[in-house]
Amino acid sequence: NAGVTQTPKFQVLKTGQSMTLQCAQDMNHEYMSWYRQDPGMGLRLIHYSVGAGITDQGEVPNGYNVSRSTTEDFPLRLLSAAPSQTSVYFCASSYAQGAVNTGELFFGEGSRLTVL
Amino acid sequence: GENVEQHPSTLSVQEGDSAVIKCTYSDSASNYFPWYKQELGKRPQLIIDIRSNVGEKKDQRIAVTLNKTAKHFSLHITETQPEDSAVYFCAASRAGSQGNLIFGKGTKLSVKP
Repeated sequence: NAGVTQTPKFQVLKTGQSMTLQCAQDMNHEYMSWYRQDPGMGLRLIHYSVGAGITDQGEVPNGYNVSRSTTEDFPLRLLSAAPSQTSVYFCASSYAQGAVNTGELFFGEGSRLTVL
Repeated sequence: GENVEQHPSTLSVQEGDSAVIKCTYSDSASNYFPWYKQELGKRPQLIIDIRSNVGEKKDQRIAVTLNKTAKHFSLHITETQPEDSAVYFCAASRAGSQGNLIFGKGTKLSVKP
């Protein structure tokens, strides 16, 4: 049981390049999300998904796209990278409890992205 | 939307002392309040959580208290040890938010031997 797996762990991009951060979980969690972590800013929600085929925006969605074709995978795409997207990105998943309760978030190890 | 404020941003204590971190939230409909610990270079991990129908919860040296009227909750760590040194994040979520957690900005706790 690997939990939440993110790749790559490190990436350097040039301004304007595109890339995809991969996220996979093997816990059969319905809920998955992406956060970015910047110094002094905590963890900010980018996009989330409550199940295959369903995605929605979080607090800071601009410049990012997501899709959820399977329960296991939730990739994050940067369409045209900007220096402001330099950050550590965390994928997380949780057992979906519908609209009633929230449960523990399990985080991946993080992906450190630098945009030059 | 929900806004979570966390204080202090840094906290330094001597080993064996207690540490308290406080958070306030804005959305009175929030009903779930977890605390995550993040060691340097690692992923955040849940250490304790509390739901709005409970005023206090304890797990060994850590405890969380919730005051719904004042909309604030606190993390208490007793008998601190060097391995408690980390960044701690509080978060809040409300029913119907599909599990979305809104995090505070974090508190860096340093425990000096």
